[in-house]
Amino acid sequence: DAGVIQSPRHEVTEMGQEVTLRCKPISGHNSLFWYRQTMMRGLELLIYFNNNVPIDDSGMPEDRFSAKMPNASFSTLKIQPSEPRDSAVYFCASRQQGFTGNTIYFGEGSWLTVV
Amino acid sequence: GDSVTQMEGPVTLSEEAFLTINCTYTATGYPSLFWYVQYPGEGLQLLLKATKADDKGSNKGFEATYRKETTSFHLEKGSVQVSDSAVYFCALTGTASKLTFGTGTRLQVTL
Repeated sequence: DAGVIQSPRHEVTEMGQEVTLRCKPISGHNSLFWYRQTMMRGLELLIYFNNNVPIDDSGMPEDRFSAKMPNASFSTLKIQPSEPRDSAVYFCASRQQGFTGNTIYFGEGSWLTVV
Repeated sequence: GDSVTQMEGPVTLSEEAFLTINCTYTATGYPSLFWYVQYPGEGLQLLLKATKADDKGSNKGFEATYRKETTSFHLEKGSVQVSDSAVYFCALTGTASKLTFGTGTRLQVTL
């Protein structure tokens, strides 16, 4: 069974450009999470969805960030315009909602560098 | 809100040494507890988990016991290998359904 699939794996972009990160969760999972990892701040939850509905977006740093989940098998995280301080690894994760013990599975991450 | 505190790293050990990485948590209700591992350049992988008090999670020689009385979930391994070098994250899911992570502990194992 395929795991969480993220694209692109690596992206280098110039400041001011739009960046779109994509995620395909594990089939059958109805919760999806976007995390950001940096050396300074560690792992931060940006937003999560249950049944395609955003539940908590309090971790989204500012209006430049937006996330959508148009259907159960696809989500995007968009940064517009991008800034150098957005350089980080962005992880998408998914799980089957309903029990706190259900494992959250992570993708391999999208490594973003904004120059 | 929920929080996880784990010991500062890096932890440097010789191969075959005993490993303990401390983890304590604060949460309402009865959270589930997890250890994730991140190898260099890779994503996070579940190492083990425990979903109720006194449960012991185990995998690949690693163990951790859910201690509600001390709100702890310490990770242990009796004999580490060079291949265990990685960053280890303690985490919990509570009523909010999201994973709350500790800051991570880097383990370096040398020959």
